[in-house]
Formats: sequence, C-alpha cells, structure tokens
Amino acid sequence: GAVVSQHPSRVICKSGTSVKIECRSLDFQATTMFWYRQFPKKSLMLMATSNEGSKATYEQGVEKDKFLINHASLTLSTLTVTSAHPEDSSFYICSASPSGRQTGELFFGEGSRLTVL
Amino acid sequence: AQKVTQAQTEISVVEKEDVTLDCVYETRDTTYYLFWYKQPPSGELVFLIRRNSFDEQNEISGRYSWNFQKSTSSFNFTITASQVVDSAVYFCALSEGYGGATNKLIFGTGTLLAVQP
Repeated sequence: GAVVSQHPSRVICKSGTSVKIECRSLDFQATTMFWYRQFPKKSLMLMATSNEGSKATYEQGVEKDKFLINHASLTLSTLTVTSAHPEDSSFYICSASPSGRQTGELFFGEGSRLTVL
Repeated sequence: AQKVTQAQTEISVVEKEDVTLDCVYETRDTTYYLFWYKQPPSGELVFLIRRNSFDEQNEISGRYSWNFQKSTSSFNFTITASQVVDSAVYFCALSEGYGGATNKLIFGTGTLLAVQP
C-alpha cells in the first residue's frame, strides 16, 4: 500500500537553530501534501498545504516565514522551522494523497517530534 | 464553517465492554468525507474508515462499527468487546471539498480511550 515517510522521527535542537523535516511519498506521486501540528494531548491542526512547484498555502495564524515549506518534487515536501524556540516544540505530521486519486484517499507520515531546548 | 466535535474527552472501560465514541460535525458542503483515525501512544495515525456524504450505510469491520446519520450530523464509532490494545486516542475528521479539490482534514479534539484489563 501507499506509504508516506517522515524524517527525522525525533529531533532535539537548541533554541535559535533551524530544523528541517522531510515528508516523502514512497510509492506514489503527490502534487499536494499537507502539514499538521499537534500539541501534547491536543488535536491536529492544519498548518499549510504544500503544492509541488508553487508556493505553499498557509492557514490563518501560521507564520509563513517561521515555517518554510518547499515542495520541490512530486515525492518530497520539506518543512523548515526557522529560529526554533521552545514554543515550537510539537509533533508535526504530514499527509499526502496520490495525484489523481479520489478525495479522501490520504496517507499520513509517522510524525516528527520536535523538542526545542 | 466546518467543525468536528468529539464531546467525550476521555472514556475508560473494562476489557470486553462495548464502547461508543461520538462525533458530530458541521459543514455547509453537500459533499464531504468523514474519517476516523486511531492514534496510539507512538503517535502515528492509523486510518480506520472513510465515508462519503452520499453513503449512509452503516459499516462493520470486525469489532468496529460506524453509524452515520446525516439527519443528526453524526458519525459515531463503536468498538465491541473492547481490548487493551484498543487503548488510544481516536480522532474523527471531516474533509472539505469535493472530487479531489482538497484533502484538507478538520480534526475533532479526539477521545482518549483507556481499556482496563
């Protein structure tokens, strides 16, 4: 079946550094990928829609300069948390849908847990 | 505006009991998709079911069953004869749009199910 992989699964960094998280669709092409954020014991909140070859679409309240998204190929989207601070510590999950497939056929990555010291 | 409400924050049952997780949604779309996901402590999202708005048939898969009622905008999930391995957070979600226009999911706040041995 379709698989979406995220890397790294866990990352700890110092405040002020930038962290890049990768989301790969392993056996399908994805024109669009989605990035979600989940605080401890909270729900998943959509951060942005990553569009291959064009700019990402950010949800209201999400700082685009803080969370840089690049979707350079049909199988890879990256989320870079720039100048990370402790409040950015969270669980980040991506999802992708095979291009041309029906709505709702989504696959989620395993998630990436970011801890900023 | 779209919204998903899971009123039950936490549920605790004893093994072999049946348990129903409630989900109520709001949407102005006439076509939409509803989902249930399981999130064990490891964090990854496990897909359980997808249902489109035109299919009101209830579904049973092993010990799992879903009751979709458009008249009350509800999509409840029942686990029969619960097991300890069912312990997890369960999310109900709603997708916006139709026909592949979008796969953005709006998640409920989740219900933490604890099954005691």
